Amino acid sequence: GEDVEQSLFLSVREGDSSVINCTYTDSSSTYLYWYKQEPGAGLQLLTYIFSNMDMKQDQRLTVLLNKKDKHLSLRIADTQTGDSAIYFCAETLGGATNKLIFGTGTLLAVQP
Amino acid sequence: EADIYQTPRYLVIGTGKKITLECSQTMGHDKMYWYQQDPGMELHLIHYSYGVNSTEKGDLSSESTVSRIRTEHFPLTLESARPSHTSQYLCASSEAGNTIYFGEGSWLTVV
Repeated sequence: GEDVEQSLFLSVREGDSSVINCTYTDSSSTYLYWYKQEPGAGLQLLTYIFSNMDMKQDQRLTVLLNKKDKHLSLRIADTQTGDSAIYFCAETLGGATNKLIFGTGTLLAVQP
Repeated sequence: EADIYQTPRYLVIGTGKKITLECSQTMGHDKMYWYQQDPGMELHLIHYSYGVNSTEKGDLSSESTVSRIRTEHFPLTLESARPSHTSQYLCASSEAGNTIYFGEGSWLTVV
C-alpha cells in the first residue's frame, strides 16, 4: 500500500541549512509536495515537484527527488526562526481522486 | 494565493451536540476534500468530492457526513459529537491534476 515516512524531529541553528527527508513507497506517484504547518494553523503549500524531475529550486528552498530510492528531500538555506514549523511530505497518485498521502511530519526547531 | 475558508476556526462543544464545519472556496475548483489530523499525527482523508452532488468516503472511517450542493461549498456535519471526534479538520480543494490547496483548519474539541 501507499506509505510516506519522515523523521519526527530536526533541530538546527539559525543561519544553517536544514535538510528534511522523506521516503515513499508507491512508484506511481505523480506529484510530491512539501507543506508547512505552523502552530494552530492550516497547511501551507511550500513547493512541489513532478515525478519526472530530479531537482527544483525556489529561493531558499531546494527539493531533490531520487526516484530510484523513492527519496525526497527539502533543503532550506539560511534557516530562520520563522521557519520553525512542522513540515509534511505528501504524494499524490493522480487519477480521478487526486488525493494526497501524507507523511507523519517533521518538526523543525530553529535555535537562535 | 489560494482562497479557501473554513469556519469556525476553533469550537468547543458538548457531547451529543450537532455541529457543522463550513468550507468554502472561491476558485471554482471541482474537487474538494476533508482531512482529519489528530495533534502530532498524520493527516488522513475522510471525505472527498469530484463535484456537485458527488461525495465519497476517504481512507479513514469517519462518523461525519458531507454534502456538495454548490461547487464552492463543502460542509462537514457531525450529528452527535463525542470526545473521540476531538481533532483538527482540514478542508482542501483542487482542479483536476493540479495542486491541492488547504484551508486554515477547524479545531474541534468535544467535552
